[in-house]
Amino acid sequence: GENVEQHPSTLSVQEGDSAVIKCTYSDSASNYFPWYKQELGKGPQLIIDIRSNVGEKKDQRIAVTLNKTAKHFSLHITETQPEDSAVYFCAAKKTRSQGNLIFGKGTKLSVKP
Amino acid sequence: DAMVIQNPRYQVTQFGKPVTLSCSQTLNHNVMYWYQQKSSQAPKLLFHYYDKDFNNEADTPDNFQSRRPNTSFCFLDIRSPGLGDAAMYLCATSRGGGADTQYFGPGTRLTVL
Repeated sequence: GENVEQHPSTLSVQEGDSAVIKCTYSDSASNYFPWYKQELGKGPQLIIDIRSNVGEKKDQRIAVTLNKTAKHFSLHITETQPEDSAVYFCAAKKTRSQGNLIFGKGTKLSVKP
Repeated sequence: DAMVIQNPRYQVTQFGKPVTLSCSQTLNHNVMYWYQQKSSQAPKLLFHYYDKDFNNEADTPDNFQSRRPNTSFCFLDIRSPGLGDAAMYLCATSRGGGADTQYFGPGTRLTVL
């Protein structure tokens, strides 16, 4: 089955710096890759997603890149702000399957003022 | 404006005492999911409903069951909670399966005494 590895597990940056979180997946049939942000005591919130027919997607300060050949995808946050501090999860899914969104183990991002 | 609603937000039960967690949605989505999330871990899918079709994950304990009486509501029943069942329980919905975005509720934090 699919396995998603996520690195690093913790990341600390200064406000204004960029943050990069990387994920690799094992199943080449996976073709949908969402990123979720989870603040303490809350449910995960989708922040960006990418499908395998594109290599990059950007939404203001957030971007995701996908390398299908290498089976890895990355989240890039520029100009980080303290409110970006949270746990970020990557996930992978085969679009033909119904339920199985396979999550990485999460990255705790701390943005220091 | 809340789209996926979970009640209660915090639930305390005693070891072995049945408990029911509730999820409702205003999105009219076909699919509803239940995830278990333990501290510092990724969400783990327990089961999901596609309309009325129930799909159980292979490793979900028999102690966990679910009901979906209509499109809007889905319940998670834990028949005999053990200490190891203490966790955050997350409900999510999506329009369909495949690459449709999953929207998460705020979660119910279950404590087992």
